[in-house]
Amino acid sequence: QKEVEQNSGPLSVPEGAIASLNCTYSDRGSQSFFWYRQYSGKSPELIMSIYSNGDKEDGRFTAQLNKASQYVSLLIRDSQPSDSATYLCAVFSGSARQLTFGSGTQLTVLP
Amino acid sequence: GAVVSQHPSWVICKSGTSVKIECRSLDFQATTMFWYRQFPKQSLMLMATSNEGSKATYEQGVEKDKFLINHASLTLSTLTVTSAHPEDSSFYICSARGLGTSTYNEQFFGPGTRLTVL
Repeated sequence: QKEVEQNSGPLSVPEGAIASLNCTYSDRGSQSFFWYRQYSGKSPELIMSIYSNGDKEDGRFTAQLNKASQYVSLLIRDSQPSDSATYLCAVFSGSARQLTFGSGTQLTVLP
Repeated sequence: GAVVSQHPSWVICKSGTSVKIECRSLDFQATTMFWYRQFPKQSLMLMATSNEGSKATYEQGVEKDKFLINHASLTLSTLTVTSAHPEDSSFYICSARGLGTSTYNEQFFGPGTRLTVL
């Protein structure tokens, strides 16, 4: 079983819709959770961090964390074509002292 | 957010030559730096982790004598691909974590270096 799992997609949503990206992780001791956006041919860019159960909002982005279910999600409201990218879920494990990345979900926002 | 730079952004070299890639943290001290490799349409693959002043820890399957990593200061790490071959062609990305960024173990990525070995 992979440590961090994401649906690979591709996920397509129309412009203006809500895009929902999901991630599950296996290490119950995980402490910090991150979402990175990676455009084709570019390096990952950190867009959201979340550490406590519940929701965290930043502009059009909302990260949701449920440690009991070992689940973290990212919602993108009012999706724009410029949001089209691969979104990587990353989980920090205190025991490993490093981030473990999911394989990423490719999102396409259709104009 | 914290800024990480990489140089060069792209390099083309002949088979058998060595290539050095620099990774710098510009506005924070990077106590730990990570080197990743990414092939087209594949996910990030961690190659090694380096702490300032210590030897790098390599992931299983990564040849430490081929991929030399030096983390001599809190703002600079280098990756040298020795005797590069076409199969080493890839996108190499560094990331850094350290003092003054956050207490929550965020990692910030450099822009990457695209290596093509002819």
